[in-house]
Amino acid sequence: GAVVSQHPSRVICKSGTSVKIECRSLDFQATTMFWYRQFPKQSLMLMATSNEGSKATYEQGVEKDKFLINHASLTLSTLTVTSAHPEDSSFYICSAREARGIGQETQYFGPGTRLLVL
Amino acid sequence: TQLLEQSPQFLSIQEGENLTVYCNSSSVFSSLQWYRQEPGEGPVLLVTVVTGGEVKKLKRLTFQFGDARKDSSLHITAAQPGDTGLYLCAGPSNTDKLIFGTGTRLQVFP
Repeated sequence: GAVVSQHPSRVICKSGTSVKIECRSLDFQATTMFWYRQFPKQSLMLMATSNEGSKATYEQGVEKDKFLINHASLTLSTLTVTSAHPEDSSFYICSAREARGIGQETQYFGPGTRLLVL
Repeated sequence: TQLLEQSPQFLSIQEGENLTVYCNSSSVFSSLQWYRQEPGEGPVLLVTVVTGGEVKKLKRLTFQFGDARKDSSLHITAAQPGDTGLYLCAGPSNTDKLIFGTGTRLQVFP
């Protein structure tokens, strides 16, 4: 099956610094990638949708200036948490949609990135 | 707003017991998916149901999509410790984004 990777898997940073998380589709092209955030013992919450070559679409309540998303190629999307604060500590999961035709789109999930802001 | 409510929220059972997890919505979904997520990992797709009334089986797991396509259930027969995890239902929203249910955390004790 299709594989989505994330890097890094874990990151610890100081408050005020920026952190970049990469999401790659390893064996397929993804025109659309999604970024989710998951707090402990909770479900996944969609943060934003990124389409290759265009600006990301953010969900209500997600600060676009804080969570910068770049989808520069069909296999890579990045999420940058700018000026991170302890409340940004969370599990960030990306997913990539493989387009096989109308009604045949499948979404694959990455293994997640654990961010801890001290 | 389309919401997917799962019940129960938590489930703690002994190995060998049967269980059912429910996923309910007031909205109609074109399809629903079930995922299992283990701590520190991303969710893994178990099944997709697309037809109202559809039943799919995956070894000891039985998935059903409601006739009206507003609800789904996951039944596990003879649960094993390896079934422990967070079970999530998910479905495409009106804007074609995948939204997740509230989740059911299952703990199976040996």
